[in-house]
Amino acid sequence: EAGVAQSPRYKIIEKRQSVAFWCNPISGHATLYWYQQILGQGPKLLIQFQNNGVVDDSQLPKDRFSAERLKGVDSTLKIQPAKLEDSAVYLCASSLGRDSGSGTQYFGPGTRLTVL
Amino acid sequence: GQNIDQPTEMTATEGAIVQINCTYQTSGFNGLFWYQQHAGEAPTFLSYNVLDGLEEKGRFSSFLSRSKGYSYLLLKELQMKDSASYLCAVRDWGNTGKLIFGQGTTLQVKP
Repeated sequence: EAGVAQSPRYKIIEKRQSVAFWCNPISGHATLYWYQQILGQGPKLLIQFQNNGVVDDSQLPKDRFSAERLKGVDSTLKIQPAKLEDSAVYLCASSLGRDSGSGTQYFGPGTRLTVL
Repeated sequence: GQNIDQPTEMTATEGAIVQINCTYQTSGFNGLFWYQQHAGEAPTFLSYNVLDGLEEKGRFSSFLSRSKGYSYLLLKELQMKDSASYLCAVRDWGNTGKLIFGQGTTLQVKP
């Protein structure tokens, strides 16, 4: 079974530029998560989708970050404009559903963003 | 508030046993997860506890005490490849069931 796919793996941009990340979850997984992981810290949830609806975006900086999950499968996360403090690894994860058993989340390889 | 505490770093010797502790104070609780994360890689699922007690899976075991807000991950017969960061995460109760992660414990296994 294929895992969570993400692209690109690495991205370097200058501050005030825009960037977008793409995620393809495990087939059949209804719930999709975007996390931000700053070096030396644990992942922090940015946004959670159940199918194509948002269930939690309380920690998403909505003035610059946006995300969508059209058709309830792939998802994109965008930052516009980027700031230096956005330098981090952006992880996508998926699970069968928040009410399905343990709701174990499976992570993709992440995108390492460097903002100069 | 939400607070999850883990030691920042630990060192152990190949072949030994190490215990990584995690204490939590969260507004809701619906299970505790342990993930392993090698440098530059994605977290991978190790274990899940929702009831008190010990869950054993090969060389790895995880323990939970809900009344004490405490968990530990036990690694036996340490191997060099076990050098990684170990993340404790609490699943929140409620509509989203989101995970709240601790900062992670970096384990270095020495020969």
